[in-house]
Formats: sequence, C-alpha cells, structure tokens
Amino acid sequence: EVQLVQSGAEVKKPGESLKISCQVSGYTFTNYWIAWVRQMPGNGLEWMGIFYPGDSETRYSPSFQGQVSFSADRSISTAYLQWSSLKASDTAIYFCASVSHYYDTNGQLRGYFDYWGQGTLVTVSS
Amino acid sequence: DIQMTQSPSTLSASVGDRVTITCRASQSISRWLAWYQQKPGKAPKLLIYKASSLESGVPSRFSGSGSGTEFTLTISSLQPDDFATYYCQQSNSFLWTFGQGTKVEI
Repeated sequence: EVQLVQSGAEVKKPGESLKISCQVSGYTFTNYWIAWVRQMPGNGLEWMGIFYPGDSETRYSPSFQGQVSFSADRSISTAYLQWSSLKASDTAIYFCASVSHYYDTNGQLRGYFDYWGQGTLVTVSS
Repeated sequence: DIQMTQSPSTLSASVGDRVTITCRASQSISRWLAWYQQKPGKAPKLLIYKASSLESGVPSRFSGSGSGTEFTLTISSLQPDDFATYYCQQSNSFLWTFGQGTKVEI
C-alpha cells in the first residue's frame, strides 16, 4: 500500500527557517517524482514544483523559485520542503504527492498526482 | 505559463442531478489533464487522468472528456458524497498548473 506521511503542524515566527517532511512507503522512492502543492487558507491548489529523488532533478514554479527548496534523504525515503526565512504569507497547508509520470514522444515529462500526503499546516505569525 | 480556467466557480445541485464542470486551457494541452476532488480538511483525490481515464476505485458516475483546450468532468448522478471542490490540472508544459476550483454545493 502506497502511503505518504507528512510531518506535523508547525507554528513559526517570520524570519525563522523550517523544513517539513514527507515519508514515502509502498513503492521505490527513487523511481517517482514528488510534487509539492500549497493551499492557502480558503484558497485553491497551487503547484509549487516537482523533485526527482533518483537524481535530485528539480523544477520550481516561478512563483516559488528562490523562496523554497526541495530535497530528499534516499536512505529513509523522505522528501523535504524547506524555507530559510519564513513570511506571514507562507501560512498555508502544504501537501506532498507522488507523481505518476510519462515521457511523451518529444521526451517531455507529463504527469498527475496519484497519492497524496495528509498535508502539513504551517502557520507563520509574530 | 498555461492558465487553466474552470467554470463555474460554484455550482448548486441536488442529489441525482447530472453535473458538468468545464476546464479551459490558455493553449492546447493535448490530453494532459487530470481531475481531482477535495473535501474540506482533506487531501485531494485523483479522479481522472489523461483527460478521460478513470482512476482505479473511482465510481463510474465520474467521467472526463475533451482535448486541446476544452475539457469537461461529468458526474452522471450526483451523490451525497460528491459535494466537494473539484480541480483540473495540466502537465503539458514545463510548468504544471491547477485550475482555480469548482465548488459543488447543495
């Protein structure tokens, strides 16, 4: 059974750093991309980017480039989302999801999110 | 970036109704479109991928169609468990995007 289990809720102050986790089980961690998705209070889903644990290839949405970083520890099948300096506007629920992916005839990556973590609520407030 | 626009934003319906949600892409995305259902406080759930393929375990009352720039998600007979928010998502470009969501309410 595939499971993505995320770390617990966090309350931080502006300017603090944070690393949240997403531990995967039920499939070979290094064979599938992991996506990160933000949902701000009362809002829709925003694609932050994707990360490939096999070789650490990363794609960031322009909205999040330079604001967050993705990483992984292959030895414990865990992906991470990290901030070096949080802002109040980072308050949101963050989801990780496994990506079922394809490469089309032009070699371009396509995919969708088939398994999701339960979400991690990050609250940033002074 | 490819923009995804869903309509309507909110839909009022009753149990047993046939419901259709539309997702339009700002440029052609072939059939690289997925649909998700999200209930309050829960993670999204995959319903449809590659525009019309039903995810395993998803009831057959859900169906997807379309290609290019216009796509639809249809619920043939709305059930009480289907009141939720629905999102489309494209992966045709280097950068992937979601639609803004459609809330299906009573």
